[in-house]
Amino acid sequence: GAVVSQHPSRVICKSGTSVKIECRSLDFQATTMFWYRQFPKQSLMLMATSNEGSKATYEQGVEKDKFLINHASLTLSTLTVTSAHPEDSSFYICSATRGHTEAFFGQGTRLTVV
Amino acid sequence: GQNIDQPTEMTATEGAIVQINCTYQTSGFNGLFWYQQHAGEAPTFLSYNVLDGLEEKGRFSSFLSRSKGYSYLLLKELQMKDSASYLCAVMDSNYQLIWGAGTKLIIKP
Repeated sequence: GAVVSQHPSRVICKSGTSVKIECRSLDFQATTMFWYRQFPKQSLMLMATSNEGSKATYEQGVEKDKFLINHASLTLSTLTVTSAHPEDSSFYICSATRGHTEAFFGQGTRLTVV
Repeated sequence: GQNIDQPTEMTATEGAIVQINCTYQTSGFNGLFWYQQHAGEAPTFLSYNVLDGLEEKGRFSSFLSRSKGYSYLLLKELQMKDSASYLCAVMDSNYQLIWGAGTKLIIKP
């Protein structure tokens, strides 16, 4: 099946620093990429929708200046958590869609801000 | 508003059968997905239904009734490794996935 690679899988950073998470579709060109956040024992929460070459669409309540999304090509999207704080500690997951009916997930990134 | 409902938690016995239900109300419908998620890991795809009926894939089957806004995931011959959360998600008219909160399935020996 299609593969979506997300890197890094785990990251620990100091409060106030920025962290970049990469999401790559390895064997297909992704129509759209999505970024999700998941707190422990909760469902996935959509943060933003990203289409190649255009600005990401953020969900209500998600700060676009804090969570910077760049979708430079059809196979790569990045999420940068700027000026991270402990409350940003979470599990971040990307997914990439092939066509409109197939959604593949990256492995997820566990971010811990200390 | 858009809403996906599924039970919070279910318990079943190894070797048995369990059915996880999902009801939905969304703006448009472009398919329903079931995902399995083990603790600390990303979801993995199980099934996709866009037409009414039953889709069988090995030990797992998924059923859809669009008129009732209802789906279920059926797991047969349960194994301990099936202990996980099962997420129901509907793709709406904007091709966005709307997620249920997930059903935590506990398998007992």
